[in-house]
Amino acid sequence: KAGVTQTPRYLIKTRGQQVTLSCSPISGHRSVSWYQQTPGQGLQFLFEYFSETQRNKGNFPGRFSGRQFSNSRSEMNVSTLELGDSALYLCASRLELGLWDEQFFGPGTRLTVL
Amino acid sequence: TQLLEQSPQFLSIQEGENLTVYCNSSSVFSSLQWYRQEPGEGPVLLVTVVTGGEVKKLKRLTFQFGDARKDSSLHITAAQPGDTGLYLCAGGERGGGADGLTFGKGTHLIIQP
Repeated sequence: KAGVTQTPRYLIKTRGQQVTLSCSPISGHRSVSWYQQTPGQGLQFLFEYFSETQRNKGNFPGRFSGRQFSNSRSEMNVSTLELGDSALYLCASRLELGLWDEQFFGPGTRLTVL
Repeated sequence: TQLLEQSPQFLSIQEGENLTVYCNSSSVFSSLQWYRQEPGEGPVLLVTVVTGGEVKKLKRLTFQFGDARKDSSLHITAAQPGDTGLYLCAGGERGGGADGLTFGKGTHLIIQP
């Protein structure tokens, strides 16, 4: 089974621009979560999509948005980029096992904002 | 907001030594997961523990979930350079639910040959 794929792997943008990141989950997984990872804050939850609907959202400004398509692929968009948005953006494909679930991460997209 | 505190933040030891990494919280989690992350890559799931007092072994790695499901530890026996990486613990707030995992900030582990 193929793992979680994220594109692009690296991205350089300037302040004020917008960016779209893509994630394809493991085949059969319907849930996709997005995380931001920075050295100072660690991994922080952005939002989760399940069957094309946002199911939960972390504490990030409205500049961060996402969507999910019928094939479970997900995109994340950041508008009006700020220097502090430089981070590794990770997508996780979730397998729900009833009482708990497990998340499988992609390799991430390294975003640098200049 | 639930928090997970990991300690130590950094650890550098010689090959062959033993070590323990801790993950503590004041909140109860329905499950707790340990991940290992290498530079430039996403975290890789090592283990999930769900029952208070549970102990799981993965070769030289031993994972324990506290009785009250608020804390966990990872013990590595006879560490090897290949164990080098960022170890992250993550708590699930409720089973099979819609909430994101709460991550600790991680332990940076370096095993020197």
